Amino acid sequence: AQKVTQAQTEISVVEKEDVTLDCVYETRDTTYYLFWYKQPPSGELVFLIRRNSFDEQNEISGRYSWNFQKSTSSFNFTITASQVVDSAVYFCALRGSGSARQLTFGSGTQLTVLP
Amino acid sequence: GAGVSQSPSNKVTEKGKDVELRCDPISGHTALYWYRQSLGQGLEFLIYFQGNSAPDKSGLPSDRFSAERTGGSVSTLTIQRTQQEDSAVYLCASSLAGLNTEAFFGQGTRLTVV
Repeated sequence: AQKVTQAQTEISVVEKEDVTLDCVYETRDTTYYLFWYKQPPSGELVFLIRRNSFDEQNEISGRYSWNFQKSTSSFNFTITASQVVDSAVYFCALRGSGSARQLTFGSGTQLTVLP
Repeated sequence: GAGVSQSPSNKVTEKGKDVELRCDPISGHTALYWYRQSLGQGLEFLIYFQGNSAPDKSGLPSDRFSAERTGGSVSTLTIQRTQQEDSAVYLCASSLAGLNTEAFFGQGTRLTVV
């Protein structure tokens, strides 16, 4: 069985602060794929990043960075110098390599960036 | 259009009526998924199609829910004898066949059962 846990239900920060969103996952598959999605108030989910289980290289893309650690089954997401437009619900998701092909989502973290 | 298209965007129906929700995936995407999102909640998996076949129906909450996909493209999700607890946003997503491919989501259908 697959499971994704996002323990932070809501986070509020002031603009320009850095913020890290936590994601912990469980899977029995040795090969799996991790994703982050953003859901702004408009409602449509927007894909942010994908990571394969065999690629632990962390990445920085502009103000976004990701920290993938297999040893702790974590895939955390950091926004530096947050902006009001970053306010959204952020979802972490997992797809295994077994028979279950669907994305298993965490419950999401509501990020509010205050001006 | 280039993205996943869902219709209608909003649907209000009376309890006990049947509803059909439609999803047009991105052209060339062989995998199609349906999810449900209740107010303020996460995404609940309903069903997954690879081509026209549905190898995973494990998420359908009851036998009132069914889905089909024809021609490897358009999919319809049907809810029979709707109940108030069916009220939610129904999201459709599509992706290429590979496991490492991201799914692209439509804007959803907001279903309200009154």
